[in-house]
Amino acid sequence: AQSVSQHNHHVILSEAASLELGCNYSYGGTVNLFWYVQYPGQHLQLLLKYFSGDPLVKGIKGFEAEFIKSKFSFNLRKPSVQWSDTAEYFCAVMDTGRRALTFGSGTRLQVQP
Amino acid sequence: DGGITQSPKYLFRKEGQNVTLSCEQNLNHDAMYWYRQDPGQGLRLIYYSQIVNDFQKGDIAEGYSVSREKKESFPLTVTSAQKNPTAFYLCASSTGTGMQPQHFGDGTRLSIL
Repeated sequence: AQSVSQHNHHVILSEAASLELGCNYSYGGTVNLFWYVQYPGQHLQLLLKYFSGDPLVKGIKGFEAEFIKSKFSFNLRKPSVQWSDTAEYFCAVMDTGRRALTFGSGTRLQVQP
Repeated sequence: DGGITQSPKYLFRKEGQNVTLSCEQNLNHDAMYWYRQDPGQGLRLIYYSQIVNDFQKGDIAEGYSVSREKKESFPLTVTSAQKNPTAFYLCASSTGTGMQPQHFGDGTRLSIL
């Protein structure tokens, strides 16, 4: 069975700091990877996705993620965070058979002004 | 605007009672999903349906049931057999073709009285 690990459960940063959230997956086949964000009181939104090709993926709101196959990782990055980035971030891998997502436990990001 | 509507937003259940959570989408998506979100555990797949009149158990289907009689609707029933039903329930949909990302509703928070 596939699994996703997010090692940072709660991250606190000051505005303008750089962000990197870790995500590791265990899945032997072709992977399709996603980062979702859940702002307070809002529904889950897609930040970015990786299916194939360039391992550096750019998403919305200045976020990017790098797929490193040898490390089974798909870390999320942003050079300079803003207070509005305060949210919970979920990494997910798609089960190609069920076409359903397996999620990590999430990372709560708190950006202090 | 197209989207996924979950109702109600908050739901309370008495011990021994079945309750049904509604999920409707107007995105013309073939596939629909139910996830359960618990603090610190991310989202876990309950049931999914790739097409009308067909659905499959996910990772934590015990104590739940679903139906998919219409393309736009995928209601979830939390039965009295579910011993720990207090959670946040999220419905999602996707085109069902390829590895397209899922769109999520705003969720229903279920609590036991």
